[in-house]
Amino acid sequence: DTEVTQTPKHLVMGMTNKKSLKCEQHMGHRAMYWYKQKAKKPPELMFVYSYEKLSINESVPSRFSPECPNSSLLNLHLHALQPEDSALYLCASSQGGRGLYNEQFFGPGTRLTVL
Amino acid sequence: AQSVTQLGSHVSVSEGALVLLRCNYSSSVPPYLFWYVQYPNQGLQLLLKYTSAATLVKGINGFEAEFKKSETSFHLTKPSAHMSDAAEYFCAVSTSGTYKYIFGTGTRLKVLA
Repeated sequence: DTEVTQTPKHLVMGMTNKKSLKCEQHMGHRAMYWYKQKAKKPPELMFVYSYEKLSINESVPSRFSPECPNSSLLNLHLHALQPEDSALYLCASSQGGRGLYNEQFFGPGTRLTVL
Repeated sequence: AQSVTQLGSHVSVSEGALVLLRCNYSSSVPPYLFWYVQYPNQGLQLLLKYTSAATLVKGINGFEAEFKKSETSFHLTKPSAHMSDAAEYFCAVSTSGTYKYIFGTGTRLKVLA
């Protein structure tokens, strides 16, 4: 299985809502990533988990809260978002470890709209 | 510090014509280089990667790229464009010991019938 899955595919939420994005992989990868992508722009790294521990936080606002319950799952909890947070949220995974290179495999994304 | 430059935010080619998408990188250490394709409202799919083995890299869907250290380039080519190649293409650079990709700004490829 060489697939990264993400749910939901689309999400519409109000600024007072709490929602979660989910990501799953079964490739035995030990690094997982969250990216935010605005239209016509490259993905922007938000968080990296390595061996279930938060390794990188790119100064993301606290209204985004990541969670890595186990090596296969990655969640992104959303609370009190702003309309400018509307974007495509991409999850990715890679083998992990800081050796060699980390080829990243991307999921299909969750299209988030904040009203 | 690393950086990636993709010249041409939009490229149009006729169906059957050569596709050439340009990527130049800057890195103080040996780089790993990747080309990804993104179709509308989808994730990124890896086309090919350079990981310090062969300098001419063949990927999926008939694409290939050549790593040229002297020119700090990793241009993506395909001999004959197909309508299904219309998409956004991203070049990315990484180095050993890091989780971060540095992405280029992307090139939107349009294929004309």
